[in-house]
Amino acid sequence: DTAVSQTPKYLVTQMGNDKSIKCEQNLGHDTMYWYKQDSKKFLKIMFSYNNKELIINETVPNRFSPKSPDKAHLNLHINSLELGDSAVYFCASSQDLRGRGTGELFFGEGSRLTVL
Amino acid sequence: EDKVVQSPLSLVVHEGDTVTLNCSYEVTNFRSLLWYKQEKKAPTFLFMLTSSGIEKKSGRLSSILDKKELFSILNITATQTGDSAIYLCAVAPAQKLVFGQGTRLTINP
Repeated sequence: DTAVSQTPKYLVTQMGNDKSIKCEQNLGHDTMYWYKQDSKKFLKIMFSYNNKELIINETVPNRFSPKSPDKAHLNLHINSLELGDSAVYFCASSQDLRGRGTGELFFGEGSRLTVL
Repeated sequence: EDKVVQSPLSLVVHEGDTVTLNCSYEVTNFRSLLWYKQEKKAPTFLFMLTSSGIEKKSGRLSSILDKKELFSILNITATQTGDSAIYLCAVAPAQKLVFGQGTRLTINP
């Protein structure tokens, strides 16, 4: 039974399209995150939500919009996809107070997005 | 700006060797330092360090933190081919984890 699951695992699409990645965690954690890992394997935080409330919004283009319908789900919608958006997107969760990120992060398996 | 730097970026050794991976950081409001191992997919948690000088150990892996000099090391003794992976260091200042660029470790039989 997967703790943090994200779909789809692979996504190939054309520039200009809109796409979504979904994430669900069954660990009962309060905080969920989206991280982007580029081709050099550098993991960078994009967003963090604590109990459906946005806590962290890094310098991310506003074409990226996260949505948290409840504390177990955090989805990522991307509008007008660009070549530079190609990366692996990791969802993660942790049991933190107010998303302070002091504890262990549990990662999903990643969604590899390729924009052509 | 918060910064985590790992070295070396890449390391190739033979099975049985001992390796030391380095992580230095500059962050405001340091809370903890974490090590992760990433094979093909999701990073998996290895250690969380919050106090200086206290070694954390798990089998052949161990790690220690120096909060005065702002660095941590991850040691792996008697390496095996299954240790081949990217090892990620992350530091938690307030509200998020900041990751280093990783060390790609390759163990040759």
